[in-house]
Amino acid sequence: EVQLVESGGGLVQPGGSLRLSCAASGFAFSSHWMHWVRQVPGKGLAWVSRINSYGSSTNYAASVKGRFTISRDNAKNTLYLELNSLRAEDTAIYYCARDSPTSGTDAFDIWGQGTMVTVSS
Amino acid sequence: QSVLTQPPSVSAAPGQRVTISCSGNNFNVGNNYVSWYQQLPGTAPKLLIYDNDKRPSGIPDRFFGYKSGTSATLGITGLQTGDEADYYCGTWDNSLSAGVFGGGTRLTVL
Repeated sequence: EVQLVESGGGLVQPGGSLRLSCAASGFAFSSHWMHWVRQVPGKGLAWVSRINSYGSSTNYAASVKGRFTISRDNAKNTLYLELNSLRAEDTAIYYCARDSPTSGTDAFDIWGQGTMVTVSS
Repeated sequence: QSVLTQPPSVSAAPGQRVTISCSGNNFNVGNNYVSWYQQLPGTAPKLLIYDNDKRPSGIPDRFFGYKSGTSATLGITGLQTGDEADYYCGTWDNSLSAGVFGGGTRLTVL
């Protein structure tokens, strides 16, 4: 079964750090670009970051650039998101998503169940 | 404020047809493919349409999409109560070098 499973969310104080993981299974992880998307509960989707299949190219939303770092370990079939200098406005459900292999522009065909990050003192 | 503009809500009766618009500019919708997602309450989003008008395997042909210029549209025919959900459009923005989504549209099937 094709699956993405996020972990690592939790409660963290403002200014703190967290590392999210996304374990992939059921497909050739190393062949796919991967993304992180977040959603404040009750609000809309917000794209966070993407990484190419090799891990050599990354992009970030302006709101997280310089604070978040996306990476991957293809040997472990795992995607990561390092969150630093966290702010209250980073509180959200964080989803990892697979870039569709057949789309011309980023389209997310497989999503994880999400992991909640709460930034609060 | 989202980069792509969607109506906050739409509604229609069971069996009817509804469309949801997604408006952008030449940096995003105008020069990139658009995808559409359905998010049922309490669940992760699901890809409905990619490359403006293509359906992934398993998505019924009641769902369709098209794009014209800097606007894209998602259509749903034969509405069912199970279609009640939030719908999002998304694409890449060449100016921002970032992915962008619409603010989402809540569909109510009356």
